[in-house]
Amino acid sequence: DAKTTQPNSMESNEEEPVHLPCNHSTISGTDYIHWYRQLPSQGPEYVIHGLTSNVNNRMASLAIAEDRKSSTLILHRATLRDAAVYYCILRDVGETSGSRLTFGEGTQLTVNP
Amino acid sequence: DTGVSQNPRHKITKRGQNVTFRCDPISEHNRLYWYRQTLGQGPEFLTYFQNEAQLEKSRLLSDRFSAERPKGSFSTLEIQRTEQGDSAMYLCASSRDPTGAEAFFGQGTRLTVV
Repeated sequence: DAKTTQPNSMESNEEEPVHLPCNHSTISGTDYIHWYRQLPSQGPEYVIHGLTSNVNNRMASLAIAEDRKSSTLILHRATLRDAAVYYCILRDVGETSGSRLTFGEGTQLTVNP
Repeated sequence: DTGVSQNPRHKITKRGQNVTFRCDPISEHNRLYWYRQTLGQGPEFLTYFQNEAQLEKSRLLSDRFSAERPKGSFSTLEIQRTEQGDSAMYLCASSRDPTGAEAFFGQGTRLTVV
């Protein structure tokens, strides 16, 4: 599975935008870029995913570089409830992989009031 | 739909005992995954089912571990002869299809082996 690189931790202030970076220089053509987050004592929660184009949903936006070797998860207005570990994951949707998720260590986001 | 349900939420067992965990996926999700997570690490893939067929197993899944999904609905994960190193959070996830974006996770079963 292709590997991703994320900062170990980031801090933000409440109600400010947060940009969480992810590098994935060995991404392949069949890899989707997924973001999940995990709040304390909870299972991971899907945030957003994309292939080539930027994506928006009610939770966040995903900006994907033109060469697809990096991406950025954007939380437009951080709240205290957004404090979590954010995982950037490359998901190979080829049949042999079963579309499993390969988690790294993620970025611990701290949101200050 | 109440989401992915895992039972029990917590399990404390003595080394050498067998334990079994249950996962009830979201109904009609044909894919079911088991992951293990230790403190400070991201979840690690263990195995996955498409309907009742177990299609992939990680090398992390030693012969003491067995998973079943007998009717393509709920799944069980059994650990025989538990060791202290088995202490972890065991997470179950389900998804609708292979190209589906979202995997829905349960809250996990935290196993402590003493």
